[in-house]
Amino acid sequence: AQSVSQHNHHVILSEAASLELGCNYSYGGTVNLFWYVQYPGQHLQLLLKYFSGDPLVKGIKGFEAEFIKSKFSFNLRKPSVQWSDTAEYFCAVSSMEKLTFGTGTRLTIIP
Amino acid sequence: GAVVSQHPSWVICKSGTSVKIECRSLDFQATTMFWYRQFPKQSLMLMATSNEGSKATYEQGVEKDKFLINHASLTLSTLTVTSAHPEDSSFYICSARPDWISSTDTQYFGPGTRLTVL
Repeated sequence: AQSVSQHNHHVILSEAASLELGCNYSYGGTVNLFWYVQYPGQHLQLLLKYFSGDPLVKGIKGFEAEFIKSKFSFNLRKPSVQWSDTAEYFCAVSSMEKLTFGTGTRLTIIP
Repeated sequence: GAVVSQHPSWVICKSGTSVKIECRSLDFQATTMFWYRQFPKQSLMLMATSNEGSKATYEQGVEKDKFLINHASLTLSTLTVTSAHPEDSSFYICSARPDWISSTDTQYFGPGTRLTVL
């Protein structure tokens, strides 16, 4: 069975700091990778996804993620965070049309 | 576009009663919808895959007789928690996969329903 690990449970940053959230997965076959964001009181939204091709994918709001197959990782990055990035971030892996989510990372940005 | 709604957003019920949660795709058709459960400070766990016109596919460990799923139309799936108990208290989230998207991995999520069983 596939699994997803997000090692950072809560990250606190100041505005303009750089962000990197870790995501590792375990699965032996072909997977598709996602990052979702959940702003306070809102539903899950897709930030970006990787299916194939260029392992560096760019998403909305200045986020990007890099797929490193050898490390089974798909870390999320943003060079300069804003207060509005405060949210819960979920990494997810899909295989056989099923999504498996990590436990999420709560990001708090201090103005 | 691609909006998914859930109703109700919050429900409180007594132990032993049944609760129905609706999931609607507002501006698209979805043959396939998914039901997830999220415990506090934990991840979303897939409960079942709901397919219009056929029986739902449940994940291992999910009691199909307790969590009844009905996908009666291309825009509506319902989850009924039967004989609810306090341990069923949780946040239930649905998602829908638009029929017009060729990618099988694109899902749009509803806002969730918080169930509290007293």
